[in-house]
Amino acid sequence: GAGVSQTPSNKVTEKGKYVELRCDPISGHTALYWYRQSLGQGPEFLIYFQGTGAADDSGLPNDRFFAVRPEGSVSTLKIQRTERGDSAVYLCASSLGGAQGETQYFGPGTRLLVL
Amino acid sequence: SQQGEEDPQALSIQEGENATMNCSYKTSINNLQWYRQNSGRGLVHLILIRSNEREKHSGRLRVTLDTSKKSSSLLITASRAADTASYFCAPANDYKLSFGAGTTVTVRA
Repeated sequence: GAGVSQTPSNKVTEKGKYVELRCDPISGHTALYWYRQSLGQGPEFLIYFQGTGAADDSGLPNDRFFAVRPEGSVSTLKIQRTERGDSAVYLCASSLGGAQGETQYFGPGTRLLVL
Repeated sequence: SQQGEEDPQALSIQEGENATMNCSYKTSINNLQWYRQNSGRGLVHLILIRSNEREKHSGRLRVTLDTSKKSSSLLITASRAADTASYFCAPANDYKLSFGAGTTVTVRA
């Protein structure tokens, strides 16, 4: 079936604005992850969903970041009052059940630029 | 932290040659995964090796894991121009993948 999809591919916004980034996981995958990748670095974990609930949000940098997954499928990462330092590629991944040692399948990412 | 650390940072080889990159980490793990990334976008999963495995193959890829040394290696044999990419290791003790900064591989035609 289809892989993980993310929209938009690119988002340019101004400092202080609110943005929403969307992730459509692979159908049937109950686990969903968000990562953030800054230029020249590897991805950093943000949050992990098991079904509808955020099982681990320890990677969210501050309370301007929030993510939801209301029906256990699509997830939205929300960033309030964006700052220039939020500019990065935001990657979403999903896996079948969220157990240890599962392969995580990544989407193409959303490149966020905050001016 | 169990974050992976890849070495070297960059590697340039001729098409047909082998490419080897290494990964070190600090704490005990359940598994270690290798990913490839082209042009800074989505990551493609290459291989997952579990802590009780020592070696794994997939096509032209060979991954080793030495838990006593807390290190792993990825070997790409008979490289092709299409192998040009960044390669990341991600040691994991649970569902969180802890990526390093990656090894950038350039394969020259």
